Amino acid sequence: DIQMTQSPSSLSASVGDRVTITCRASQGLGTDLGWFQQKPGKAPKRLIYGASSLQSGVPSRFSGSGSGTEFTLTISSLQPEDFATYYCLQHNTYPYTFGQGTKLDIK
Amino acid sequence: EVQLVESGGGLVQPGGSLRLSCAASGFTLSGYWMHWVRQAPGKGGKGLVWVSRINSDGSTTTYADSVKGRFTISRDNAKNTLYLQMNSLRADDTAVYFCTREFAMWGQGTLVTVSS
Repeated sequence: DIQMTQSPSSLSASVGDRVTITCRASQGLGTDLGWFQQKPGKAPKRLIYGASSLQSGVPSRFSGSGSGTEFTLTISSLQPEDFATYYCLQHNTYPYTFGQGTKLDIK
Repeated sequence: EVQLVESGGGLVQPGGSLRLSCAASGFTLSGYWMHWVRQAPGKGGKGLVWVSRINSDGSTTTYADSVKGRFTISRDNAKNTLYLQMNSLRADDTAVYFCTREFAMWGQGTLVTVSS
């Protein structure tokens, strides 16, 4: 199975901060990676697909980059509604695997 | 309204069975591959785990090793509904189960609790 190592596992930040979350894959994925935001008691919401394409309706402060084995999600200027848990997902090889999550909370 | 709505969750004893449904509305399910993803409960929630997928016409399926041989994914495109038949349930199958349309659209989830 492809292991997805997501870091950090938790992060405290302030409104207006720039934040970067990283996912490293145990083998190459090309660009078969997505980023998701999940708030408590809610379903995940896809932010980024194809490693760097912004999902329709998602604010442009979210961006994704990378290919192969290293990927990043960047939030350019944190807003209050961005405090949530973030996950990466590789959909290159079955079984698909998620990173373990990054909980982003208010400093 | 375009949405996915799961149902069928509940409390079941170890070794028991349950069938989850995921009803699509506002779009035609037959055009999409579908997946089930689960998330064990816990403070702040546990991580997301991919469970299974089915292609658009139901001819091919894939499963996580942890559920292979116990769970069966299926679909009825005429009824615009996806299913997950879960047999030989174990305590570690306890989770919220989400259906998702190619990870771009998600249902609200249904809770399955396996306990005696």
